[in-house]
Amino acid sequence: DAGVTQSPTHLIKTRGQQVTLRCSPKSGHDTVSWYQQALGQGPQFIFQYYEEEERQRGNFPDRFSGHQFPNYSSELNVNALLLGDSALYLCASSLNRYLYTFGSGTRLTVV
Amino acid sequence: SQQGEEDPQALSIQEGENATMNCSYKTSINNLQWYRQNSGRGLVHLILIRSNEREKHSGRLRVTLDTSKKSSSLLITASRAADTASYFCATETGGFKTIFGAGTRLFVKA
Repeated sequence: DAGVTQSPTHLIKTRGQQVTLRCSPKSGHDTVSWYQQALGQGPQFIFQYYEEEERQRGNFPDRFSGHQFPNYSSELNVNALLLGDSALYLCASSLNRYLYTFGSGTRLTVV
Repeated sequence: SQQGEEDPQALSIQEGENATMNCSYKTSINNLQWYRQNSGRGLVHLILIRSNEREKHSGRLRVTLDTSKKSSSLLITASRAADTASYFCATETGGFKTIFGAGTRLFVKA
């Protein structure tokens, strides 16, 4: 049984570009959350998707947007990339509110 | 901003010793969870303790929760080199947002 799958694993982008990160949730899970983790810090909540709608959002600018598809997979889009967007982006899926399964993350480097 | 603050920031011990990490938080919570992260990869859920529970065990892990002090501790007994990782506490305050602390980096020397 596959857990949470994220792609790509690593990505290098230039400042000002746009990026799309992808997440396939664990089988049977219907909720997807996205986190940004800067080096040496804890994960910061970006937003959560449930039933193809953004259910809650953290303190991130509108440059960060997402989508959830009918098969529960999700995308995170970041526009107008800044150097400060360089981080590990983690996707977590769950069936209930509390028990999250995390993917291995996408390491984004903005140069 | 982060709800949880772990203490210490880093901890280095010998294999076989016990490791204790503490977490303090600011607002009322529904539950508190502990996660482990190896080398900047994905987080692994270790244990969840609800706000009406005081102590919980899972294998070599023991978690306590003191809601009057807004604090929790994670004890790893008889540590192993494989326990080397970062440990995070995470809280749910209502809504659907899980808030993580900055983590404790544990290094277990063989």
